Amino acid sequence: GQQLNQSPQSMFIQEGEDVSMNCTSSSIFNTWLWYKQEPGEGPVLLIALYKAGELTSNGRLTAQFGITRKDSFLNISASIPSDVGIYFCAGSYISNFGNEKLTFGTGTRLTIIP
Amino acid sequence: SAVISQKPSRDICQRGTSLTIQCQVDSQVTMMFWYRQQPGQSLTLIATANQGSEATYESGFVIDKFPISRPNLTFSTLTVSNMSPEDSSIYLCSVEDLAGGNNEQFFGPGTRLTVL
Repeated sequence: GQQLNQSPQSMFIQEGEDVSMNCTSSSIFNTWLWYKQEPGEGPVLLIALYKAGELTSNGRLTAQFGITRKDSFLNISASIPSDVGIYFCAGSYISNFGNEKLTFGTGTRLTIIP
Repeated sequence: SAVISQKPSRDICQRGTSLTIQCQVDSQVTMMFWYRQQPGQSLTLIATANQGSEATYESGFVIDKFPISRPNLTFSTLTVSNMSPEDSSIYLCSVEDLAGGNNEQFFGPGTRLTVL
């Protein structure tokens, strides 16, 4: 089945620094989604990417859908303490039953050092 | 986006018992899904909850262990049957919001299950 390799697994950065994480796969995906999960909560959708090569921003977050549809990156500029959490990439694909499903990356745990 | 609630938010259960988790959405949605997130791990799809027909299970998950109901377009339940400590996980429901014309999934807050 589809697998997503997400890196880095964890990051420890100073407040104010920029953050970059990425996901790669050997499979092609229709859509790439980036989620953030905080302790005790469900994942919250940050950015959705629909077209190969698409670059999308949401405030301090920027994400791009790779031209081959097999990878994506997420950048966070000028990190702040509330950016702490686990970031997941997810790719959507059409199942054998004809409906769209998501497969998730392994996550990047972001810790901000004050 | 749709507002999703889950009950219970957490529970501690004895092995051998069963727990039913409820997922309620504030608007009608076509697609509802159930995921499992084991401690420190990513999300794994258990099944797609189909309204009016049996759920579609992913490889490694079976109806006898995880029976699912979907009586209408705003509600679904997942039962974790005959629980063992290995079932200790966060269980999440999600919905696909097609309102904007795009296939985006939104998640409930999760149910944290501990099996002793």
